[in-house]
Amino acid sequence: DTEVTQTPKHLVMGMTNKKSLKCEQHMGHRAMYWYKQKAKKPPELMFVYSYEKLSINESVPSRFSPECPNSSLLNLHLHALQPEDSALYLCASSQSGSEAYGYTFGSGTRLTVV
Amino acid sequence: KNQVEQSPQSLIILEGKNCTLQCNYTVSPFSNLRWYKQDTGRGPVSLTIMTFSENTKSNGRYTATLDADTKQSSLHITASQLSDSASYICVVSAGNFNKFYFGSGTKLNVKP
Repeated sequence: DTEVTQTPKHLVMGMTNKKSLKCEQHMGHRAMYWYKQKAKKPPELMFVYSYEKLSINESVPSRFSPECPNSSLLNLHLHALQPEDSALYLCASSQSGSEAYGYTFGSGTRLTVV
Repeated sequence: KNQVEQSPQSLIILEGKNCTLQCNYTVSPFSNLRWYKQDTGRGPVSLTIMTFSENTKSNGRYTATLDADTKQSSLHITASQLSDSASYICVVSAGNFNKFYFGSGTKLNVKP
């Protein structure tokens, strides 16, 4: 298995809803990432987990809450989002401490906040 | 300041023609450079990964070059196809742990 799987592919949520994005990989990668990508822009790093511990938080608002239950799973919990949070959310994974190979993106979740 | 700049921003070519995309970076210390292809609304897909010691790497019709002295990379696409229409993103990894720098991408449109 050489893929990063993200679910759901599309999500529409209201500003008072609570939802979660899920990311899964079975490549033995020990680093996992969340990115936010707006249209026609490159991905922006949000969070990095290394060995299931949060190692980087790029000053992301608290309405985004990441969770790494185990080395294969990464969640992003969403609460009280704003319409400007609508974007493509990408998950990625890599061999921690060995950036030369294995940095793989998922297909993304298209999030729309209404 | 660590930066990755890509040119051109957008490019239109006819099917069957070749093209070359450019990536200049100031990331230091350099670890590796990746080229990704991203279809609209989809996640980026890796095309090539190059380390400091590699000058050229090919993946089918895609050939990437790296000049670590001038801090430049290029992605050459041969005999373009309609399915090559996408954004191409250059990503440079710094020696810092898990730090990646993204270019803004080149939007390629291949027309019949």
